[in-house]
Amino acid sequence: DTAVSQTPKYLVTQMGNDKSIKCEQNLGHDTMYWYKQDSKKFLKIMFSYNNKELIINETVPNRFSPKSPDKAHLNLHINSLELGDSAVYFCASSQQWDRVRGYTFGSGTRLTVV
Amino acid sequence: SQQGEEDPQALSIQEGENATMNCSYKTSINNLQWYRQNSGRGLVHLILIRSNEREKHSGRLRVTLDTSKKSSSLLITASRAADTASYFCATDVDSSYKLIFGSGTRLLVRP
Repeated sequence: DTAVSQTPKYLVTQMGNDKSIKCEQNLGHDTMYWYKQDSKKFLKIMFSYNNKELIINETVPNRFSPKSPDKAHLNLHINSLELGDSAVYFCASSQQWDRVRGYTFGSGTRLTVV
Repeated sequence: SQQGEEDPQALSIQEGENATMNCSYKTSINNLQWYRQNSGRGLVHLILIRSNEREKHSGRLRVTLDTSKKSSSLLITASRAADTASYFCATDVDSSYKLIFGSGTRLLVRP
């Protein structure tokens, strides 16, 4: 069973479109994250949710809106896509009282805006 | 701003040799973690070292932490071709619900 699963794996879309990426974890973790990895492999946190509450919003444009319907899911909706949004987006989860195990990452969604 | 800087940016070694990667960071930390990323895949947690620890081992991995110099190193002994990947350090700062990642080291282990 995949611990953190993201869909879709690949997403190619035109500028101006709206798209969503879904993430689900079956680890029972209480915290979920979205990270963006650019073409230089630089990983930057975008959002963090703890028990469905938004904890971190790292100066991400308003066009990006996360939504956590329950502890196991964290989706990312992006409006009016721009060329600069092209990147790999990673979902991750962790258990705050068990930080020793670190984060568990999904396999990523490669977004290409044309 | 980026918390961690890693060096070298890229490292190429022969199978069987040891690989050492270094990470420097800027602020006080709770712990420092190392992750591996294979090409086209997500990151995999390797090892965590707490701020009050100086050295930790896990299999062929050895991590050191020097909080006075704000630096850490990851040593992979007896490397294998399967160790080829990018390696990232990440700092856990003030229980802030986020890990801040370094810039990564690309390791190539030649068979």
